[in-house]
Amino acid sequence: QQQVKQSPQSLIVQKGGISIINCAYENTAFDYFPWYQQFPGKGPALLIAIRPDVSEKKEGRFTISFNKSAKQFSLHIMDSQPGDSATYFCAASIRTSYDKVIFGPGTSLSVIP
Amino acid sequence: GAVVSQHPSRVICKSGTSVKIECRSLDFQATTMFWYRQFPKQSLMLMATSNEGSKATYEQGVEKDKFLINHASLTLSTLTVTSAHPEDSSFYICSARSTDGYTFGSGTRLTVV
Repeated sequence: QQQVKQSPQSLIVQKGGISIINCAYENTAFDYFPWYQQFPGKGPALLIAIRPDVSEKKEGRFTISFNKSAKQFSLHIMDSQPGDSATYFCAASIRTSYDKVIFGPGTSLSVIP
Repeated sequence: GAVVSQHPSRVICKSGTSVKIECRSLDFQATTMFWYRQFPKQSLMLMATSNEGSKATYEQGVEKDKFLINHASLTLSTLTVTSAHPEDSSFYICSARSTDGYTFGSGTRLTVV
């Protein structure tokens, strides 16, 4: 119930291409779905987040698509750049109760020139 | 945005000694902080939830006597790894919730030799 699934485990994308990472969850009580970007040796940094009452959220080159009925959400990185190479984690939490953040297993993204 | 400061960033200690890691919310108060552990190429695993003025809540399988958590003020939580052993070597990350969402520290790389 508390698990967040994420795929693919690793992803190689050409510079300028679109990177797509997919996640799924089971617990319908989750009401906050953030995406984090982590570089080696650093803590995760919030990239973008969405609430379940919104189907899509876009910030710059990053877009979250959310499908509440399917309990799935995805991150799209448009015009991917080598600087986007990092590990990406989807996550979920019950924000209204200050509950813990449950992380997906992560996706290692490599953007090649 | 909200900032969480974590110190030290790296620490090497001898087996059998104790190590303290500090996590501070710099510009906001955090009644709840979270401690995570991350092994290489793996996701963040929640160890415990730190509550200001009360006992921490530990996740299943985490030894509370080994990983001592103290949340003495609204801006400071500490994690002490007691009687450290090489298998405790890992990347420890703290997090606090602010109006910006969940903010993470930069992590502490613990190496036990």
